[in-house]
Amino acid sequence: DVKVTQSSRYLVKRTGEKVFLECVQDMDHENMFWYRQDPGLGLRLIYFSYDVKMKEKGDIPEGYSVSREKKERFSLILESASTNQTSMYLCASSPVLKITTEAFFGQGTRLTVV
Amino acid sequence: AQSVTQLDSHVSVSEGTPVLLRCNYSSSYSPSLFWYVQHPNKGLQLLLKYTSAATLVKGINGFEAEFKKSETSFHLTKPSAHMSDAAEYFCVVSALRDDKIIFGKGTRLHILP
Repeated sequence: DVKVTQSSRYLVKRTGEKVFLECVQDMDHENMFWYRQDPGLGLRLIYFSYDVKMKEKGDIPEGYSVSREKKERFSLILESASTNQTSMYLCASSPVLKITTEAFFGQGTRLTVV
Repeated sequence: AQSVTQLDSHVSVSEGTPVLLRCNYSSSYSPSLFWYVQHPNKGLQLLLKYTSAATLVKGINGFEAEFKKSETSFHLTKPSAHMSDAAEYFCVVSALRDDKIIFGKGTRLHILP
């Protein structure tokens, strides 16, 4: 089974802190994604990466950055956390997208910024 | 550009009655379409996917969806709802050209006893 593991289920951070959310996948997938999930807004794409050291902005990249130094690991960085970044963060991975490919998701990290 | 619209944010049905969750999509290319389910405090699980081999797609737990190109729709149905179906459901379009996966805003399904 594909496994996508997010390092923390719950995090509480203070405003202004630098926050790292880590995601690791064990299936040698090329693509990795970071989403945030908010009630009524669904999942919104923050950043995605289709290869090591490659990254593309999603729909809401402001206030975030990412790092992909190894194929299996994709990190989301909040340079200076703010209260409006309180949310559920979901990481996903997939092979190169074809007609039959789906994404596999981690369990999510619920981040609270106080 | 690709987009997906889930027409209802909440749907309530009685146990044993049919379920219909509506999804419309927009895509410049032949789309890949999926439905995911998220139970409370759980991750996302794939219910079914449209692969272009057949327009009627069967998924897990008795769910199915029909791809209708003329209506740009991919509605999710189940003949008889079960209490365990209470969850949030996401319609997803995959943009093959630029490798993006785009989610609808979700439909929360409530099952009434």
